[in-house]
Amino acid sequence: AQSVAQPEDQVNVAEGNPLTVKCTYSVSGNPYLFWYVQYPNRGLQFLLKYITGDNLVKGSYGFEAEFNKSQTSFHLKKPSALVSDSALYFCAVRDPYSGAGSYQLTFGKGTKLSVIP
Amino acid sequence: ETGVTQTPRHLVMGMTNKKSLKCEQHLGHNAMYWYKQSAKKPLELMFVYNFKEQTENNSVPSRFSPECPNSSHLFLHLHTLQPEDSALYLCASSQEYYRIPETQYFGPGTRLLVL
Repeated sequence: AQSVAQPEDQVNVAEGNPLTVKCTYSVSGNPYLFWYVQYPNRGLQFLLKYITGDNLVKGSYGFEAEFNKSQTSFHLKKPSALVSDSALYFCAVRDPYSGAGSYQLTFGKGTKLSVIP
Repeated sequence: ETGVTQTPRHLVMGMTNKKSLKCEQHLGHNAMYWYKQSAKKPLELMFVYNFKEQTENNSVPSRFSPECPNSSHLFLHLHTLQPEDSALYLCASSQEYYRIPETQYFGPGTRLLVL
């Protein structure tokens, strides 16, 4: 079975500082990994995904994530945080070997990012 | 906006009421999804439709009844709900359900309160 964990309910960072939002996963094979962001009163917006290839994935709004197979992690990063980055961030995983009939994304509980001016 | 719209945005209903949530996608996708988002819990996938056919039902109580008349529209019919059903209901779409990899595009959600 596939699972994903976001160990931090909340992350606070000062504007201009680098930010990291953590995600670890568990799958039986090589995973497909996603990051989504949810702003207040909005649906989820796709940020980036890892399918295969380069372990460093670049996405929207200056975000990037690094796939680390040995640590089963896919942490979201940004070199310099903006106040407008304050939102709820969700990591999601899909196991390509989950078996016939199930192609579902499994989402983490979300991490609330607060960027302090 | 993402090309996926949901109406209404807010809904308050009593436990004996019947209401429907509507989702429409303008992206030319063939798969549509209903998710339930409760506070401090992971998103829960409820239903998936692929080319108008229901492909997933994650043990959702029968008081939730989905309908997908075509690839662009998805409904969630609600009746005799419980207060614990209060949540944000999100609709999403993707090119196809079985295409690997998939990116899902979400609507803004309907905030449901059951009294």
